[in-house]
Amino acid sequence: AQSVSQHNHHVILSEAASLELGCNYSYGGTVNLFWYVQYPGQHLQLLLKYFSGDPLVKGIKGFEAEFIKSKFSFNLRKPSVQWSDTAEYFCAVGGYNKLIFGAGTRLAVHP
Amino acid sequence: EAQVTQNPRYLITVTGKKLTVTCSQNMNHEYMSWYRQDPGLGLRQIYYSMNVEVTDKGDVPEGYKVSRKEKRNFPLILESPSPNQTSLYFCASSFLGQDNQPQHFGDGTRLSIL
Repeated sequence: AQSVSQHNHHVILSEAASLELGCNYSYGGTVNLFWYVQYPGQHLQLLLKYFSGDPLVKGIKGFEAEFIKSKFSFNLRKPSVQWSDTAEYFCAVGGYNKLIFGAGTRLAVHP
Repeated sequence: EAQVTQNPRYLITVTGKKLTVTCSQNMNHEYMSWYRQDPGLGLRQIYYSMNVEVTDKGDVPEGYKVSRKEKRNFPLILESPSPNQTSLYFCASSFLGQDNQPQHFGDGTRLSIL
């Protein structure tokens, strides 16, 4: 069955701390991977995506993610978080006509 | 400005009273989709459409209908809403292509069914 698992439901960090959010997937066929962010009261916005090529993907706002095929993982990282990174983060895996989302991780960054 | 527009943004209604949530995109996208977002469950796909007059069920289609008479519009219809359909709904659109294009999302519609 196709699924996406995000291990951390809630993460609390202080500003300048490093961030890593876990994402594992189960999906048959060609894998396209995404991380979306949802700031409070807003719609989802694309942070970064992986289709093929370099497994280390850089996105907006200093975020990056690494695709590790052998571990079926696509973890999101940021070396130093800011208060403005407080949001909910969704990992998603997609094929031709649909995206399957993880349950999301709520990140709270304290000044 | 490229956008996906949903209306209404908020709606409180009662069980059994038919309602429609509209979705319109101005990017000439072929693909449109509806999701519902519930705490702890992420986003789950309700229905999607790959072109005019072409629609298909997603993972949670029960209790919903859609139509795609025009490329830009993809309304979500709840014929007889029930309290378990209280949720946050998002419409999304994208181009179809060799890779699954990142989907553009609307601002969401928060439905409360009493």
